[in-house]
Amino acid sequence: DAKTTQPPSMDCAEGRAANLPCNHSTISGNEYVYWYRQIHSQGPQYIIHGLKNNETNEMASLIITEDRKSSTLILPHATLRDTAVYYCIVRGGATNKLIFGTGTLLAVQP
Amino acid sequence: DGGITQSPKYLFRKEGQNVTLSCEQNLNHDAMYWYRQDPGQGLRLIYYSQIVNDFQKGDIAEGYSVSREKKESFPLTVTSAQKNPTAFYLCASRLPRTGEAFFGQGTRLTVV
Repeated sequence: DAKTTQPPSMDCAEGRAANLPCNHSTISGNEYVYWYRQIHSQGPQYIIHGLKNNETNEMASLIITEDRKSSTLILPHATLRDTAVYYCIVRGGATNKLIFGTGTLLAVQP
Repeated sequence: DGGITQSPKYLFRKEGQNVTLSCEQNLNHDAMYWYRQDPGQGLRLIYYSQIVNDFQKGDIAEGYSVSREKKESFPLTVTSAQKNPTAFYLCASRLPRTGEAFFGQGTRLTVV
């Protein structure tokens, strides 16, 4: 599975869009990009995933670059409840391993 | 309700004792996972199982053991060989088609 790199922390003003970057330069053709978030002392929650096309759901949008070496998770209107650690994961191929990195702590400020 | 149940939420044990953490799912998922999380850190994979009666070591399997006798259950035993067992333990199962993982609410183990 490809390794991911994320900034350790980011701030965002309430009501503004939060853009969380992730680098996955060693991603291979059949590997998907997944995003999860973890609110303090809870289990992580699935947000969204994609292969090469941009994806959107009720929680967020996922923008994957054309070369697939990086992606951005967008929370369009961040609220205080979006304060959490956000994990970017790359998974695919024959293995079922799910490897989490250290994630990005997003702090939404009032 | 469908989901993953971990019990208990908080667990205290004396040093040198083995302890088993429960993880049950009624989502009919084949793949299940155990992770350990230390304060301020990310999740580290302990063991995972892709199917009943089969499991593989993750990155930090030493001092832990698992079994997968039933699809619904994937218990984790923290043995006395684990040098620093105090941590937050998370269990997950994964949807086969989309790969989306579902997590339990975790068990916080404190060894004194």
